[in-house]
Amino acid sequence: AQRVTQPEKLLSVFKGAPVELKCNYSYSGSPELFWYVQYSRQRLQLLLRHISRESIKGFTADLNKGETSFHLKKPFAQEEDSAMYYCALSQYNNNDMRFGAGTRLTVKP
Amino acid sequence: ETGVTQSPTHLIKTRGQQVTLRCSSQSGHNTVSWYQQALGQGPQFIFQYYREEENGRGNFPPRFSGLQFPNYSSELNVNALELDDSALYLCASRQQGRDTEAFFGQGTRLTVV
Repeated sequence: AQRVTQPEKLLSVFKGAPVELKCNYSYSGSPELFWYVQYSRQRLQLLLRHISRESIKGFTADLNKGETSFHLKKPFAQEEDSAMYYCALSQYNNNDMRFGAGTRLTVKP
Repeated sequence: ETGVTQSPTHLIKTRGQQVTLRCSSQSGHNTVSWYQQALGQGPQFIFQYYREEENGRGNFPPRFSGLQFPNYSSELNVNALELDDSALYLCASRQQGRDTEAFFGQGTRLTVV
């Protein structure tokens, strides 16, 4: 069965510090992994996806199939990064996307 | 280009009643997915519609049903409402295909009393 685990509900770092939001998944096939972000009073939006291997707003995420992880990283956190972050997994063609419970990131000045 | 819009934004219903939530997909998108997000949880997949047919369903009972119309807008219907159905209901639309981005609406907050 597909499952996404985000072990940290809350994460707090100081501005300029590195940040890593953890995501582990279980899936028997070849998953497609995503990170979604929800800023205060805004709708859920795509941050990045593993297949495009891009860096968005300084964030990167590497799919590690051996460890079944897709951790989100940023070397220097900014206050505007404070938001709710969700890791998500889907099958081919994005049917049945499964979300983790989310991590609330707070970046302190 | 118009975004995904959902109506109503808030709704209060009584246990046992029925509710219909609506979603207008983004222009050019032919696939709509519905999610339930309980407080403190991530979105849970309810079902997905592509070209007016359901083509994926999560672990929700049959009293959760849906429709997609020729213009790709969609409805989520919930019968025999239960207190645990209280949640934020999200709609997302995209163009069917590998690795296409899903765009979310603002959601409908349903409260069952």
